[in-house]
Amino acid sequence: QKEVEQDPGPLSVPEGAIVSLNCTYSNSAFQYFMWYRQYSRKGPELLMYTYSSGNKEDGRFTAQVDKSSKYISLFIRDSQPSDSATYLCAMSLSRNTPLVFGKGTRLSVIA
Amino acid sequence: KAGVTQTPRYLIKTRGQQVTLSCSPISGHRSVSWYQQTPGQGLQFLFEYFSETQRNKGNFPGRFSGRQFSNSRSEMNVSTLELGDSALYLCASSLESLSGRAPYEQYFGPGTRLTVT
Repeated sequence: QKEVEQDPGPLSVPEGAIVSLNCTYSNSAFQYFMWYRQYSRKGPELLMYTYSSGNKEDGRFTAQVDKSSKYISLFIRDSQPSDSATYLCAMSLSRNTPLVFGKGTRLSVIA
Repeated sequence: KAGVTQTPRYLIKTRGQQVTLSCSPISGHRSVSWYQQTPGQGLQFLFEYFSETQRNKGNFPGRFSGRQFSNSRSEMNVSTLELGDSALYLCASSLESLSGRAPYEQYFGPGTRLTVT
């Protein structure tokens, strides 16, 4: 079992839909959780960063962490074609330990 | 503020050769991490440097090495290239402070796409 599992998709939704992206993990010691967006032929771009459990909202994006279930989610409201990209979850044990990434979910938002 | 820059952006090398990739972090960032991204394995951590010292190392063979300079710029080197080394190599920088209270977010560069033939 990989440390971080993420459905690779592809996920295709119509413009304006609510998108739910998820990752599960096996190591309960993870404390820092991040979501990155990666456009084709570009480096990952940090979207959301959460420490420990709870929700965090930033514009159309909401990140949720459920440590009891070892499950994290990213919700995108009012999705736009410009949201079409690969979304990567990442997590780490502490501030000074490496990030462990999911393989990414490819999202297409159709106009 | 300028982002993370990586040079070169594209590189084609022959099996057996060696290659050096360069990364300039965001101004003020002291930590630089390197990752390898392939379709099959995703993003995998190579190593991290902080204040010119390797702080963490991933599970890669010794052919992969790196260093960091006093201005926080970093280089990674791959010797005796193999076909399987073809990948996107990403560098990420993060802000660190002696107090350890800086937010822990890593910012990625655009990557260097290495093709080994």
